Amino acid sequence: EDKVVQSPLSLVVHEGDTVTLNCSYEVTNFRSLLWYKQEKKAPTFLFMLTSSGIEKKSGRLSSILDKKELFSILNITATQTGDSAIYLCAQIGPASKLTFGTGTRLQVTL
Amino acid sequence: DGGITQSPKYLFRKEGQNVTLSCEQNLNHDAMYWYRQDPGQGLRLIYYSQIVNDFQKGDIAEGYSVSREKKESFPLTVTSAQKNPTAFYLCASSTQQGSLFFGEGSRLTVL
Repeated sequence: EDKVVQSPLSLVVHEGDTVTLNCSYEVTNFRSLLWYKQEKKAPTFLFMLTSSGIEKKSGRLSSILDKKELFSILNITATQTGDSAIYLCAQIGPASKLTFGTGTRLQVTL
Repeated sequence: DGGITQSPKYLFRKEGQNVTLSCEQNLNHDAMYWYRQDPGQGLRLIYYSQIVNDFQKGDIAEGYSVSREKKESFPLTVTSAQKNPTAFYLCASSTQQGSLFFGEGSRLTVL
């Protein structure tokens, strides 16, 4: 069965810190890996990663995929309280079926 | 504006009752999905549909049923056979590339 594992499960940092969230996967017929941010209700899309070694950036967030080692990281620099959320990682497999990790709960304090 | 609409946002149900959650999208996406979210368990796939009049069971389909009579609509029925139905339910649709777009969710509480 496909499995996506995220670490850490939860994290508390101070505003201004840089954080790295991890996502490892063990899937067959891998297509892409997705990162989402979930605050109060529905997850919002952050990144889709398909190719290994190519960093995607959006403001203070960036992500990269390593298809050889089967993991991805999500970096957030100069964290702000508004970054507090659950960050979900998911892989797309056959038939576009997504498998989600349990998420990393990030809390940014003043 | 294009998007996914779920209703109701909050729902209370007595044990033994069936309840149907609505999901409508106007994004012209072929694929639609229902996920259940419980604390500490991430998102788990209940059912998905890649085309009208066709759907497949996900990882936790027992106690649930769906239909896909129209491209825009993918309602989920939580039946009395679902042993632990209290949860947050998310509907999603996806592009051909696989990016998911989520609705706002429906929180079901069984009394």
